[in-house]
Amino acid sequence: AQSVTQLGSHVSVSEGALVLLRCNYSSSVPPYLFWYVQYPNQGLQLLLKYTTGATLVKGINGFEAEFKKSETSFHLTKPSAHMSDAAEYFCAVNADTGRRALTFGSGTRLQVQP
Amino acid sequence: EADIYQTPRYLVIGTGKKITLECSQTMGHDKMYWYQQDPGMELHLIHYSYGVNSTEKGDLSSESTVSRIRTEHFPLTLESARPSHTSQYLCASSDLSSYNSPLHFGNGTRLTVT
Repeated sequence: AQSVTQLGSHVSVSEGALVLLRCNYSSSVPPYLFWYVQYPNQGLQLLLKYTTGATLVKGINGFEAEFKKSETSFHLTKPSAHMSDAAEYFCAVNADTGRRALTFGSGTRLQVQP
Repeated sequence: EADIYQTPRYLVIGTGKKITLECSQTMGHDKMYWYQQDPGMELHLIHYSYGVNSTEKGDLSSESTVSRIRTEHFPLTLESARPSHTSQYLCASSDLSSYNSPLHFGNGTRLTVT
């Protein structure tokens, strides 16, 4: 079985501040991990993914995430928030290689204050 | 620019009506999915398909049905809509050849049943 927990349904930061969105996963096999972003009235867009190899993954729009197996975490960070980063962010895991469907976390709404 | 298209974007319909939500993709992906997104953002897998004539139920029980007669087309049907079906429905597709292939999402259909 696989699951994802996103800590904090809402996160608010000031423009220029560090963004940290937390994600912990549960998986009985080595997972593939993803972060998606959803802007209002749109579908989900892939930010970055971890499969194997380097544990620090860089994505689009200046975001990156680090896979920490010992902590079962895959937190998303960005050094300096921009107003355009305000959106919903979803962490997802695919450890069910038979079905190959993603299991999503409940999402985190990021607000960026001017 | 989306390679996966959902229509309609918004639908308001009365109880008891039959509806079909359309989803088409131009990427030649074998795997397609329907997710239901609650007002509180969480996504739940309701249907998926490995290819033509293949359909499976997902994690969340749904009264909807799907069909996969053509690779590019994966419509979802509700025979008799009810207010409890009010939600956003997201269609996605992925390349079956790799376990870590990301999902590509459409922009969603926001359904309101009155």
